[in-house]
Amino acid sequence: DVKVTQSSRYLVKRTGEKVFLECVQDMDHENMFWYRQDPGLGLRLIYFSYDVKMKEKGDIPEGYSVSREKKERFSLILESASTNQTSMYLCASGDRANYGYTFGSGTRLTVV
Amino acid sequence: RKEVEQDPGPFNVPEGATVAFNCTYSNSASQSFFWYRQDCRKEPKLLMSVYSSGNEDGRFTAQLNRASQYISLLIRDSKLSDSATYLCVVGRVGRAGSYQLTFGKGTKLSVIP
Repeated sequence: DVKVTQSSRYLVKRTGEKVFLECVQDMDHENMFWYRQDPGLGLRLIYFSYDVKMKEKGDIPEGYSVSREKKERFSLILESASTNQTSMYLCASGDRANYGYTFGSGTRLTVV
Repeated sequence: RKEVEQDPGPFNVPEGATVAFNCTYSNSASQSFFWYRQDCRKEPKLLMSVYSSGNEDGRFTAQLNRASQYISLLIRDSKLSDSATYLCVVGRVGRAGSYQLTFGKGTKLSVIP
């Protein structure tokens, strides 16, 4: 089974802190994604990457950046955390074929 | 028009009932179609792919109508364990030539004893 591992299940950070969310997949997938999920808003794509060192903005990239130095690892960075970034963050990976994604178990981030 | 639309529910049904969810998508270039299931406070998980010929997996039947841009999921003999949110998902080649999925906001199902 494809495994997508997110480094933290729960995280509490202070406003203004720099926050790193890590995601690692073990199936050699080209594509990796970061979403946030909020009640009533569904899954919203923040950034995605289709190859090492490649990244593309999703629908809501403001306030975020990403890094993909190795194929298996995709990091989401909150440069200066704000309370409106309190959310569930979900990482996913998928290959080039028309198959569905596999998600990590999510990181519930609270910014206080 | 949203790219993937579905009724948010909730659908409250008794055990043993048959329930159907519908979904429409706006982009005719969409190439692949899925239903995902998401339990409360958990990540989405792939339930099944959807094909034009229709496909069945036990009590679950999925159907795609490309002409109407409509996807359905039928659950027969509902179990308490089917209670979850069901996400309609559509895939296509997007920006930068990469393959992307677009998720609906989900339909909440509660199966009642």
